[in-house]
Amino acid sequence: EPEVTQTPSHQVTQMGQEVILRCVPISNHLYFYWYRQILGQKVEFLVSFYNNEISEKSEIFDDQFSVERPDGSNFTLKIRSTKLEDSAMYFCASSPRDSKHRLLNQPQHFGDGTRLSIL
Amino acid sequence: GQQVMQIPQYQHVQEGEDFTTYCNSSTTLSNIQWYKQRPGGHPVFLIQLVKSGEVKKQKRLTFQFGEAKKNSSLHITATQTTDVGTYFCAGRRFGLGNEKLTFGTGTRLTIIP
Repeated sequence: EPEVTQTPSHQVTQMGQEVILRCVPISNHLYFYWYRQILGQKVEFLVSFYNNEISEKSEIFDDQFSVERPDGSNFTLKIRSTKLEDSAMYFCASSPRDSKHRLLNQPQHFGDGTRLSIL
Repeated sequence: GQQVMQIPQYQHVQEGEDFTTYCNSSTTLSNIQWYKQRPGGHPVFLIQLVKSGEVKKQKRLTFQFGEAKKNSSLHITATQTTDVGTYFCAGRRFGLGNEKLTFGTGTRLTIIP
């Protein structure tokens, strides 16, 4: 069964440094997402991406964050200047559209996540 | 903003007992999805409910969507050790462009063998 893959599985970075988290969504999916989960807490939406642009973002997704789909397969999340509170598990997800090209009612498929630790 | 709460936060049950988690949204939902996250794992899609009052079953799991489409529940009959994990509901609002899922606070289930 196709999977969403994320790299690296664990990233340790000094505060203030830039970090790029990478994701390869399922190949025929059209919607891509980033979520984060602080240890022991709920999953929080960061951003959704469709047709090469951001379609929705949360208040967490400030100017320090950016997303990109540099080629036909990768989907990246960049944090420009990391802060201690950015430490979390970051999940990438993707979803297809149905036969009528609608997004609604489609499940999201999550990757295994990248654990980001800011020192 | 939209909030989705779940109760209880934690549930410890003896193996073989039943388990229920309740999900409540502050706003009416277009649909609701349920995910299971094993310790150290990622959320895994279980099911989606779309219609008001809908009930769906997956083996020992029964999912309900409220008539007002603001609440939902997951009931597990005769729990097994493989049911251990955190169960999240996740709601999607109405309207074009509302692709994001707002996850509930989760219910962590532990099983006492």
